[in-house]
Amino acid sequence: KAGVTQTPRYLIKTRGQQVTLSCSPISGHRSVSWYQQTPGQGLQFLFEYFSETQRNKGNFPGRFSGRQFSNSRSEMNVSTLELGDSALYLCASSPDRGGTGELFFGEGSRLTVL
Amino acid sequence: QKEVEQNSGPLSVPEGAIASLNCTYSDRVSQSFFWYRQYSGKSPELIMSIYSNGDKEDGRFTAQLNKASQYVSLLIRDSQPSDSATYLCAVIPDSWGKLQFGAGTQVVVTP
Repeated sequence: KAGVTQTPRYLIKTRGQQVTLSCSPISGHRSVSWYQQTPGQGLQFLFEYFSETQRNKGNFPGRFSGRQFSNSRSEMNVSTLELGDSALYLCASSPDRGGTGELFFGEGSRLTVL
Repeated sequence: QKEVEQNSGPLSVPEGAIASLNCTYSDRVSQSFFWYRQYSGKSPELIMSIYSNGDKEDGRFTAQLNKASQYVSLLIRDSQPSDSATYLCAVIPDSWGKLQFGAGTQVVVTP
């Protein structure tokens, strides 16, 4: 069974640009969560989607947004990039509706903002 | 106060010894607790989940939960160099809440 696939794996952007990251969950998994990981803050929850609906949202500014498609694939977008947005963005999928901590993580998209 | 707290380490453990990792959480109504392992440059992977007070064993790993003390721990018996990683404690504060991670404890197993 294929794991969680994230694209692109690495990207470099400049301040003010926007970026879109993609996540394909494990087949059959309907819940997708996004996390930001930085050395200083650790893993910070961004949002969770289930059946195309955002179920939970973390404490990030509105520049961070996401969506989920009918095939459970998800995208997240960061607009007006700031230097502090440099991080590893992790997507995780789960077969359950929500409120589960048993997540399967992708390898992440490493974003560098210059 | 952070919702999930762990000692950052590094925790240095001789090969073959027991590694003991601790985690405390602030939300008394938390019901679900997890340990993830993250190797350097890799993504986190789930190694243990525990929902009831007491011990839960899985191979060389034992998770311990004490809800009254708001404390969860992970023991790694017969530690191996391959256990060298960062161990993340994670908690769900309520039934439909988001998974909250601690900062992680780095474990270094020395031969």
